[in-house]
Amino acid sequence: GDSVTQMEGPVTLSEEAFLTINCTYTATGYPSLFWYVQYPGEGLQLLLKATKADDKGSNKGFEATYRKETTSFHLEKGSVQVSDSAVYFCALASRGSARQLTFGSGTQLTVLP
Amino acid sequence: DAGVIQSPRHEVTEMGQEVTLRCKPISGHDYLFWYRQTMMRGLELLIYFNNNVPIDDSGMPEDRFSAKMPNASFSTLKIQPSEPRDSAVYFCASSFGTVNTEAFFGQGTRLTVV
Repeated sequence: GDSVTQMEGPVTLSEEAFLTINCTYTATGYPSLFWYVQYPGEGLQLLLKATKADDKGSNKGFEATYRKETTSFHLEKGSVQVSDSAVYFCALASRGSARQLTFGSGTQLTVLP
Repeated sequence: DAGVIQSPRHEVTEMGQEVTLRCKPISGHDYLFWYRQTMMRGLELLIYFNNNVPIDDSGMPEDRFSAKMPNASFSTLKIQPSEPRDSAVYFCASSFGTVNTEAFFGQGTRLTVV
């Protein structure tokens, strides 16, 4: 079945540091890929997405590129801010199966001033 | 639109009691999902509906859990009887259309069973 493997957390960085959170997936066919962010006490919000190979999703300075050859969708940001502290979830939606999202385990990011 | 609305935000109940969680999806969305989030198991899909019809309930942990969607603007998740291990944050989400579109999440209901 479909699965998403995410970099283990928690991750602690200083403000303005470079961020990478690794995500790899297993799926039938060519899934759509997503990064969701969860701020404390809130539900998940879509951060960015990519729907086909080599697509790059970007939002709020975050980027991720759909790499079919390595089945990866790593999240990056060049300079993190304290306000980026949150839990980040990688997810996929597989075209060949049911409609639901499959989530990774989440990575807690804390950015220190 | 106000987004996906869940109620209550917090629920504390005693073991053995019935608990009902409520969700109002975004108007026009044709998919509704119920998720459970715990530290140990992360985010788990419990059940989802398409056009008010349950499509996949394989994630429902036990017969104590049931979900309904009587119309396009309302869904409930019921636990009867509740147990301490049901303590978690329960999220409702809705979406529209194709597999490429995002799911919009409510703020969740934090359930504590004592």
